[in-house]
Amino acid sequence: DTGVSQNPRHKITKRGQNVTFRCDPISEHNRLYWYRQTLGQGPEFLTYFQNEAQLEKSRLLSDRFSAERPKGSFSTLEIQRTEQGDSAMYLCASSRAGKSNQPQHFGDGTRLSIL
Amino acid sequence: AQTVTQSQPEMSVQEAETVTLSCTYDTSESDYYLFWYKQPPSRQMILVIRQEAYKQQNATENRFSVNFQKAAKSFSLKISDSQLGDAAMYFCAYRRREGGGADGLTFGKGTHLIIQP
Repeated sequence: DTGVSQNPRHKITKRGQNVTFRCDPISEHNRLYWYRQTLGQGPEFLTYFQNEAQLEKSRLLSDRFSAERPKGSFSTLEIQRTEQGDSAMYLCASSRAGKSNQPQHFGDGTRLSIL
Repeated sequence: AQTVTQSQPEMSVQEAETVTLSCTYDTSESDYYLFWYKQPPSRQMILVIRQEAYKQQNATENRFSVNFQKAAKSFSLKISDSQLGDAAMYFCAYRRREGGGADGLTFGKGTHLIIQP
């Protein structure tokens, strides 16, 4: 169990640029989640995958946000035309399928700063 | 929609003492799961303890225990014999039972726990 890995750890970009983050889940976990955490707040759920299927995406903050998990392994979260308000920590988590009390294991997150 | 409220932005406790962190939630569902997560400074979030709503017995994990009051929709965390390593942000979280679309956790705003030596 090598844990959930997220890259990059930090991303600084200018407003209007596109950014992409990567998440590698724990290898035997088929569920993968994305959250956003702003300063002083708890994480906010964005979307989740079971294998390669994106089963919930209505919580994505706008149509500038999209996520993929093409082969059911790693996932990417893309933000197009970034805005100041997108500055936040983006967290990825993974879990096994099955009972809903299967714990979600979180990565260290990617901190996005918009200049 | 479900909501989770943590009314204590910050709590402070002396090392070796006991502290209780409060959490209330709002849901119309009868079956769900509750969690406490710990997020140390600049480190990843880790699960502390979990509770299934259909179980009346309160969950316990070593020095950590919960007081689950389903009717009151209350889910507090008690930390006994507090240690310096317990210093962190603590988040209460809710998750609906299996089924339906949304399967993410709903978090509270967190409580910053300070341990005084």
